[in-house]
Amino acid sequence: TQLLEQSPQFLSIQEGENLTVYCNSSSVFSSLQWYRQEPGEGPVLLVTVVTGGEVKKLKRLTFQFGDARKDSSLHITAAQPGDTGLYLCAGGATDSWGKLQFGAGTQVVVTP
Amino acid sequence: EADIYQTPRYLVIGTGKKITLECSQTMGHDKMYWYQQDPGMELHLIHYSYGVNSTEKGDLSSESTVSRIRTEHFPLTLESARPSHTSQYLCASRQNTEAFFGQGTRLTVV
Repeated sequence: TQLLEQSPQFLSIQEGENLTVYCNSSSVFSSLQWYRQEPGEGPVLLVTVVTGGEVKKLKRLTFQFGDARKDSSLHITAAQPGDTGLYLCAGGATDSWGKLQFGAGTQVVVTP
Repeated sequence: EADIYQTPRYLVIGTGKKITLECSQTMGHDKMYWYQQDPGMELHLIHYSYGVNSTEKGDLSSESTVSRIRTEHFPLTLESARPSHTSQYLCASRQNTEAFFGQGTRLTVV
């Protein structure tokens, strides 16, 4: 059973469009992170959110942590081909501080 | 820039061979992890360590073993490689929240 559910699994959009990726769980997390992974490389951290209701912006990317700290979303405005990649959310649960659990990921493809 | 290194980047090996995938980090992180990932798919945790002489099995059953004799080094060993072991293996380390990943080892067992 996947602790973190990501949706959609795959997203293909045109350059300039907006997109939102979701990460949901029945567990409460002390922190939640979003990573982006390009083919043949390891994931790279985009952002960490720790406070329920927190919103963080990173240029065209907006991250939101749910009030109950069980879910998160990533919104990309005016997507560019460079945004193409596998987007992974990862959570550190409050009762298992050592393990970092990853969602299955959302594959995003932005075409020119 | 992350200071975590995996070698080799690519490995093609015959069935039955013993292999060790190397992972080293120079950040002094206590927690280290091994994940298995097929292309474009989710990461499966196969081993993790909280520090020296601490190793735990992850959520995905694996025939591999790990050791943590030094803080900076977390090698993964397959005693007898099989085609089902063909995958990408990612090593990561972290101290607080952020995890730093190596570039991965792409293993092919023929």
